[in-house]
Amino acid sequence: DQQVKQNSPSLSVQEGRISILNCDYTNSMFDYFLWYKKYPAEGPTFLISISSIKDKNEDGRFTVFLNKSAKHLSLHIVPSQPGDSAVYFCAAVTTGGYQKVTFGIGTKLQVIP
Amino acid sequence: DAGVIQSPRHEVTEMGQEVTLRCKLISGHNSLFWYRQTMMRGLELLIYFNNNVPIDDSGMPEDRFSAKMPNASFSTLKIQPSEPRDSAVYFCASSVGTGLFYGYTFGSGTRLTVV
Repeated sequence: DQQVKQNSPSLSVQEGRISILNCDYTNSMFDYFLWYKKYPAEGPTFLISISSIKDKNEDGRFTVFLNKSAKHLSLHIVPSQPGDSAVYFCAAVTTGGYQKVTFGIGTKLQVIP
Repeated sequence: DAGVIQSPRHEVTEMGQEVTLRCKLISGHNSLFWYRQTMMRGLELLIYFNNNVPIDDSGMPEDRFSAKMPNASFSTLKIQPSEPRDSAVYFCASSVGTGLFYGYTFGSGTRLTVV
């Protein structure tokens, strides 16, 4: 049972345009969310996070939006660059307890020059 | 700092053989996580150690899998006997505490192929 769902396995975007990666979750106890980025033959690297007390967090070209009522979050990359081509993992945490991180299966983003 | 170091990078073994994956944590990190990545299930947590003590091993598939942390900087994941369905990329990650606000630091992974 996937508690964190990334329903789009892949996405192609032209360089300079906006990339929108989506993530849905089913566990209402999740209250902290993270995005990781992974290049081939490397481990995932932390990208950006958001607490459930916020609905938006921005870091340079990357913005994460959270819609708690819909149990949905999205990562926006503007403008997209070829170096952004990677697999993006959505992850969710319940901050009570030991804060286990649950990952989605990832979305492969290709930014076309 | 060299980051989280995993070895080997690639491992090909025959079904039934023992496989040992190794991980060296970043100095000062006290939490260690072993993950398995597959196309169907993404990144699955296998086991979590904090201060060398296993906290959550509910993700370990079965008794064929075992993990140890003999000291604060090193961990092993052993599969015995290995089966073709164990083929995946295995990552270890470390953090200070739970790594919630600063994320985990992942190693580059070990790609395991069991034939």
